[in-house]
Amino acid sequence: GAVVSQHPSRVICKSGTSVKIECRSLDFQATTMFWYRQFPKQSLMLMATSNEGSKATYEQGVEKDKFLINHASLTLSTLTVTSAHPEDSSFYICSARGDREYEQFFGPGTRLTVL
Amino acid sequence: GQNIDQPTEMTATEGAIVQINCTYQTSGFNGLFWYQQHAGEAPTFLSYNVLDGLEEKGRFSSFLSRSKGYSYLLLKELQMKDSASYLCAFMDSNYQLIWGAGTKLIIKP
Repeated sequence: GAVVSQHPSRVICKSGTSVKIECRSLDFQATTMFWYRQFPKQSLMLMATSNEGSKATYEQGVEKDKFLINHASLTLSTLTVTSAHPEDSSFYICSARGDREYEQFFGPGTRLTVL
Repeated sequence: GQNIDQPTEMTATEGAIVQINCTYQTSGFNGLFWYQQHAGEAPTFLSYNVLDGLEEKGRFSSFLSRSKGYSYLLLKELQMKDSASYLCAFMDSNYQLIWGAGTKLIIKP
C-alpha cells in the first residue's frame, strides 16, 4: 500500500522559533497533499490543501503567513510554523492523494510542543 | 450546507458487536469513509463506500444509504485493541474530506 512519512515525529521548541515539518509520499506521486491539525480529543481540522508547483489553499481562519506550505515536488510537501507560540502546540498530520481522488493516505503525524 | 454527525462515545464488551452510526448532509457527495485512530496516532483507513449497501471486510463492515445520508460501521468479535476513535468522513464535490468529530469506542473485558 501507499506510504506517507512525516518528519520529525515529535518536536519541542521554544516560543518564537520556527519549526519545519516534512511530509513525503514514499512510493507514489502525490499531486495534492493536505495538512491537518488535531487538538486533544477533537477531530481533524483541515488547515490547507497544497498542489505541487502552486500556492496552497488555506482554510478560513488559518494564517498563511504563519503556516507556510511548500509543495516543491510530487513527493514532498513542507509545513513551517513560523514564530511558534504555545497555542500552536498540536498534532499535525499530513495526507497525500494518489491517482484516484478518493484515495488519501495519512502520514504518522508530528507532535509539536511549544514551550 | 454541509454537516456530519456521529456519537461522541460508545462502550461495548469484548467479544460483542457494536454499530457506530454516522449521518451527513451535503449537496455534493463522492463517498463515505471510515477511519480508525488510536490515541496519539494518525488515522488509518478502514473503509470506503460510494454505492448503497454493505461492504464487509473481515470483522469490520460498513453500510451506506445515500438517500438517507446515513452510514454505519459494524465491528464484530470486539477485541481490546479495537479501543480507539472511529472517524466518519464524506468526500464532497471538490473531493475534499469533511470530517465528523469521531466516536471514542471503549471496550470493556
